[in-house]
Amino acid sequence: DAGVIQSPRHEVTEMGQEVTLRCKPISGHDYLFWYRQTMMRGLELLIYFNNNVPIDDSGMPEDRFSAKMPNASFSTLKIQPSEPRDSAVYFCASSPPGTVSYEQYFGPGTRLTVT
Amino acid sequence: QKEVEQDPGPLSVPEGAIVSLNCTYSNSAFQYFMWYRQYSRKGPELLMYTYSSGNKEDGRFTAQVDKSSKYISLFIRDSQPSDSATYLCAMLNNFNKFYFGSGTKLNVKP
Repeated sequence: DAGVIQSPRHEVTEMGQEVTLRCKPISGHDYLFWYRQTMMRGLELLIYFNNNVPIDDSGMPEDRFSAKMPNASFSTLKIQPSEPRDSAVYFCASSPPGTVSYEQYFGPGTRLTVT
Repeated sequence: QKEVEQDPGPLSVPEGAIVSLNCTYSNSAFQYFMWYRQYSRKGPELLMYTYSSGNKEDGRFTAQVDKSSKYISLFIRDSQPSDSATYLCAMLNNFNKFYFGSGTKLNVKP
C-alpha cells in the first residue's frame, strides 16, 4: 500500500514567492494533518481536517499560510508570500476513521528553503 | 511553559543497554500518550500508544504512563544500532489535538 505522498520533496524559493505544498493521504483515512518541524521549535501542528473540513487551524502562524482539502485524496498548504523564517520541513499525516487520531501516518516531508 | 517537555539529548549508549526516554507534561486533560520514532530525513512513525495510566509492552519496548506525576517513559531493552533515531513523545487531549515533545536523539553504538 502506498503511504502518505507529499510533493515536492525539496523546494528552494526566494523570499516573497508563493509556495504550494501538496499531500495525498492514505486511501480511506479521514483525518489529515499538516505539521512543520524545525530544530528550534520541534514538530508543530499547523492545521488538521476531518472529512475534508478544517477542524483546528490555531497552529497556522499567520495569514500568509492557508490550507485546503478539496477532496478526500488531496490537500495543499500554501505560503504567500514566503519568508526565510518559513524554512522548515513540512509534514503531512493522515489517520484512519473510527479512531482518535493517535495513529497518525506521516509522509516523507517537504524540505522548504526560503532564501 | 510548554505543554510537553522532553530532554533533547543526545543520548549515547552501547549496544545492549537499557534505554530510558522520558517526557513530562502540564495538561491533566491528556488521555492518549504516544511514542513516535523518527529516523534522519524521514517522517515520524508510531511506535506505541497508551490510553490513560499504566504500562504497555511490545517486544523490546515498554511504555509507561504516570498520570499522577504527569510523566511518561519509554524503555528500550537490548538496544540495537538500528534503534538510533529521534524519539518523540506525543499527547492527545479531549479535543483531538496533538502535542509533541521536541524529541530525544538516541545513538546506540555497536
